[in-house]
Amino acid sequence: DGGITQSPKYLFRKEGQNVTLSCEQNLNHDAMYWYRQDPGQGLRLIYYSQIVNDFQKGDIAEGYSVSREKKESFPLTVTSAQKNPTAFYLCASRDQGWDLDEQYFGPGTRLTVT
Amino acid sequence: DAKTTQPPSMDCAEGRAANLPCNHSTISGNEYVYWYRQIHSQGPQYIIHGLKNNETNEMASLIITEDRKSSTLILPHATLRDTAVYYCIDFYNTDKLIFGTGTRLQVFP
Repeated sequence: DGGITQSPKYLFRKEGQNVTLSCEQNLNHDAMYWYRQDPGQGLRLIYYSQIVNDFQKGDIAEGYSVSREKKESFPLTVTSAQKNPTAFYLCASRDQGWDLDEQYFGPGTRLTVT
Repeated sequence: DAKTTQPPSMDCAEGRAANLPCNHSTISGNEYVYWYRQIHSQGPQYIIHGLKNNETNEMASLIITEDRKSSTLILPHATLRDTAVYYCIDFYNTDKLIFGTGTRLQVFP
Protein backbone atom coordinates (compact mmCIF):
# COMPACT_ATOMS: atom_id res chain seq x y z
CA ASP A 1 0.00 0.00 0.00
CA GLY A 2 1.19 3.49 -0.78
CA GLY A 3 1.08 6.11 1.90
CA ILE A 4 2.74 7.97 4.71
CA THR A 5 3.80 6.32 7.92
CA GLN A 6 4.65 8.01 11.16
CA SER A 7 6.07 6.26 14.16
CA PRO A 8 5.49 5.89 16.95
CA LYS A 9 1.83 6.81 17.41
CA TYR A 10 2.42 7.84 21.02
CA LEU A 11 5.71 9.09 22.43
CA PHE A 12 6.60 10.09 25.97
CA ARG A 13 9.75 11.97 26.95
CA LYS A 14 11.19 13.75 29.89
CA GLU A 15 11.75 17.48 29.72
CA GLY A 16 15.23 18.38 28.48
CA GLN A 17 15.56 15.41 26.11
CA ASN A 18 15.67 15.68 22.35
CA VAL A 19 13.31 13.36 20.50
CA THR A 20 13.06 12.45 16.81
CA LEU A 21 9.76 11.71 15.08
CA SER A 22 9.83 9.50 12.03
CA CYS A 23 8.03 10.19 8.74
CA GLU A 24 8.33 7.93 5.69
CA GLN A 25 6.44 8.03 2.39
CA ASN A 26 6.45 5.68 -0.59
CA LEU A 27 4.37 7.93 -2.83
CA ASN A 28 7.38 9.32 -4.68
CA HIS A 29 6.39 12.85 -3.70
CA ASP A 30 9.06 15.52 -3.77
CA ALA A 31 7.60 17.82 -1.10
CA MET A 32 7.10 16.92 2.53
CA TYR A 33 5.80 18.89 5.49
CA TRP A 34 5.65 18.84 9.28
CA TYR A 35 2.72 20.39 11.15
CA ARG A 36 1.93 20.77 14.79
CA GLN A 37 -1.60 20.69 16.19
CA ASP A 38 -2.63 21.74 19.69
CA PRO A 39 -6.03 20.86 21.21
CA GLY A 40 -8.87 22.71 19.50
CA GLN A 41 -6.49 24.42 17.11
CA GLY A 42 -5.74 24.21 13.42
CA LEU A 43 -2.48 22.95 11.97
CA ARG A 44 0.63 25.10 12.11
CA LEU A 45 3.56 24.55 9.76
CA ILE A 46 6.91 23.74 11.36
CA TYR A 47 9.21 22.88 8.44
CA TYR A 48 8.83 21.84 4.83
CA SER A 49 11.05 20.41 2.16
CA GLN A 50 10.47 20.79 -1.57
CA ILE A 51 13.31 18.50 -2.60
CA VAL A 52 16.01 16.26 -1.17
CA ASN A 53 18.76 18.06 0.75
CA ASP A 54 16.72 21.25 1.00
CA PHE A 55 14.22 22.48 3.56
CA GLN A 56 12.67 25.72 4.78
CA LYS A 57 11.33 27.00 8.06
CA GLY A 58 7.60 27.27 8.48
CA ASP A 59 5.73 29.51 10.89
CA ILE A 60 6.89 27.89 14.14
CA ALA A 61 10.34 26.40 13.46
CA GLU A 62 12.02 27.49 16.70
CA GLY A 63 13.05 24.52 18.80
CA TYR A 64 12.77 22.05 15.93
CA SER A 65 15.18 20.65 13.35
CA VAL A 66 14.76 18.47 10.27
CA SER A 67 16.80 16.66 7.65
CA ARG A 68 15.97 15.44 4.15
CA GLU A 69 18.72 13.08 3.10
CA LYS A 70 16.36 10.78 1.21
CA LYS A 71 13.23 11.47 -0.80
CA GLU A 72 11.24 9.01 1.25
CA SER A 73 12.18 10.28 4.71
CA PHE A 74 11.72 13.58 6.56
CA PRO A 75 12.45 13.14 10.28
CA LEU A 76 11.64 15.89 12.77
CA THR A 77 13.70 16.44 15.92
CA VAL A 78 12.05 18.22 18.81
CA THR A 79 14.87 19.74 20.78
CA SER A 80 15.03 20.76 24.41
CA ALA A 81 14.81 24.36 23.21
CA GLN A 82 11.15 23.89 22.26
CA LYS A 83 9.27 25.44 25.17
CA ASN A 84 5.96 23.60 24.77
CA PRO A 85 6.67 20.38 22.88
CA THR A 86 3.59 18.43 23.96
CA ALA A 87 1.36 18.31 20.87
CA PHE A 88 0.06 16.20 18.00
CA TYR A 89 2.56 16.15 15.13
CA LEU A 90 1.49 15.50 11.56
CA CYS A 91 3.66 14.78 8.55
CA ALA A 92 2.41 15.27 5.01
CA SER A 93 3.61 14.91 1.45
CA ARG A 94 2.36 16.78 -1.58
CA ASP A 95 1.09 15.52 -4.91
CA GLN A 96 1.13 18.21 -7.59
CA GLY A 97 -0.72 16.97 -10.63
CA TRP A 98 -1.94 18.95 -13.60
CA ASP A 99 -5.30 19.71 -12.03
CA LEU A 100 -4.81 18.79 -8.41
CA ASP A 101 -2.52 19.93 -5.65
CA GLU A 102 -3.18 17.69 -2.69
CA GLN A 103 -1.45 16.97 0.56
CA TYR A 104 -1.52 13.46 2.00
CA PHE A 105 -1.21 13.24 5.75
CA GLY A 106 0.21 10.55 7.96
CA PRO A 107 -1.63 9.24 11.04
CA GLY A 108 0.27 11.54 13.39
CA THR A 109 2.45 11.17 16.47
CA ARG A 110 1.18 12.38 19.82
CA LEU A 111 4.15 13.60 21.85
CA THR A 112 3.89 14.12 25.59
CA VAL A 113 6.77 15.74 27.45
CA THR A 114 6.70 15.82 31.24
CA ASP B 1 -3.23 33.29 9.70
CA ALA B 2 -6.05 31.49 7.96
CA LYS B 3 -7.67 33.37 5.09
CA THR B 4 -11.07 31.70 5.40
CA THR B 5 -13.76 31.90 8.07
CA GLN B 6 -16.03 29.07 9.16
CA PRO B 7 -18.56 28.56 11.95
CA PRO B 8 -16.91 26.76 14.86
CA SER B 9 -19.48 23.98 15.10
CA MET B 10 -22.57 22.47 13.48
CA ASP B 11 -24.92 19.58 14.15
CA CYS B 12 -26.61 17.33 11.63
CA ALA B 13 -29.02 14.42 11.95
CA GLU B 14 -27.86 11.14 10.48
CA GLY B 15 -29.19 10.63 6.95
CA ARG B 16 -29.78 14.34 6.39
CA ALA B 17 -27.65 16.63 4.25
CA ALA B 18 -24.88 18.51 6.03
CA ASN B 19 -24.18 21.94 4.53
CA LEU B 20 -20.95 23.48 5.73
CA PRO B 21 -20.35 27.13 4.80
CA CYS B 22 -17.08 28.94 4.28
CA ASN B 23 -16.28 32.58 3.59
CA HIS B 24 -13.39 33.39 1.26
CA SER B 25 -13.33 37.18 1.53
CA THR B 26 -9.74 37.55 0.25
CA ILE B 27 -9.59 34.79 -2.33
CA SER B 28 -7.61 35.70 -5.42
CA GLY B 29 -8.44 34.79 -8.99
CA ASN B 30 -6.13 31.83 -9.30
CA GLU B 31 -6.72 30.31 -5.88
CA TYR B 32 -8.65 27.10 -5.59
CA VAL B 33 -11.09 26.26 -2.81
CA TYR B 34 -9.99 23.09 -1.03
CA TRP B 35 -11.83 21.14 1.64
CA TYR B 36 -10.20 18.72 4.05
CA ARG B 37 -11.58 16.94 7.08
CA GLN B 38 -9.93 15.58 10.20
CA ILE B 39 -11.45 12.78 12.19
CA HIS B 40 -10.39 12.81 15.81
CA SER B 41 -6.70 12.02 16.34
CA GLN B 42 -6.06 11.27 12.67
CA GLY B 43 -4.37 13.19 9.89
CA PRO B 44 -6.51 15.46 7.68
CA GLN B 45 -8.07 13.88 4.60
CA TYR B 46 -8.67 15.57 1.26
CA ILE B 47 -12.34 15.83 0.31
CA ILE B 48 -12.79 17.98 -2.77
CA HIS B 49 -11.56 21.12 -4.49
CA GLY B 50 -12.81 23.60 -7.10
CA LEU B 51 -12.03 26.86 -8.83
CA LYS B 52 -15.25 28.37 -10.18
CA ASN B 53 -17.63 25.59 -11.07
CA ASN B 54 -19.54 23.39 -8.71
CA GLU B 55 -17.90 20.02 -8.19
CA THR B 56 -19.08 16.60 -7.06
CA ASN B 57 -17.24 13.44 -6.17
CA GLU B 58 -17.99 10.28 -4.26
CA MET B 59 -17.54 12.02 -0.93
CA ALA B 60 -19.24 15.39 -1.31
CA SER B 61 -20.41 18.28 -3.44
CA LEU B 62 -18.88 21.74 -3.51
CA ILE B 63 -20.89 24.82 -4.35
CA ILE B 64 -18.94 28.02 -5.07
CA THR B 65 -20.77 31.32 -5.45
CA GLU B 66 -20.32 33.30 -8.61
CA ASP B 67 -18.18 35.94 -6.89
CA ARG B 68 -16.19 33.11 -5.23
CA LYS B 69 -16.45 34.81 -1.85
CA SER B 70 -18.20 31.86 -0.28
CA SER B 71 -18.50 28.13 -0.71
CA THR B 72 -20.56 25.32 0.75
CA LEU B 73 -19.51 21.74 1.24
CA ILE B 74 -22.44 19.36 1.06
CA LEU B 75 -22.45 15.87 2.50
CA PRO B 76 -25.70 14.60 0.97
CA HIS B 77 -26.50 11.85 3.49
CA ALA B 78 -24.44 12.37 6.62
CA THR B 79 -23.43 9.33 8.65
CA LEU B 80 -21.98 9.05 12.13
CA ARG B 81 -18.58 8.46 10.50
CA ASP B 82 -18.75 11.96 9.02
CA THR B 83 -18.31 13.47 12.48
CA ALA B 84 -15.08 15.43 12.11
CA VAL B 85 -13.53 18.88 11.84
CA TYR B 86 -13.90 20.28 8.32
CA TYR B 87 -11.43 22.82 6.95
CA CYS B 88 -11.81 25.04 3.91
CA ILE B 89 -8.62 26.50 2.45
CA ASP B 90 -7.75 28.94 -0.35
CA PHE B 91 -4.72 27.60 -2.14
CA TYR B 92 -2.73 27.94 -5.32
CA ASN B 93 0.74 26.72 -5.98
CA THR B 94 2.21 28.11 -2.79
CA ASP B 95 4.52 26.29 -0.48
CA LYS B 96 2.02 25.59 2.24
CA LEU B 97 -1.58 25.02 3.14
CA ILE B 98 -2.84 27.30 5.90
CA PHE B 99 -5.40 25.57 8.08
CA GLY B 100 -7.78 27.58 10.23
CA THR B 101 -9.70 26.12 13.15
CA GLY B 102 -12.40 24.64 10.91
CA THR B 103 -15.99 23.59 11.64
CA ARG B 104 -16.60 20.76 14.04
CA LEU B 105 -19.48 18.75 12.55
CA GLN B 106 -21.34 16.48 14.93
CA VAL B 107 -23.64 13.95 13.29
CA PHE B 108 -26.19 12.55 15.73
CA PRO B 109 -28.43 9.46 15.45
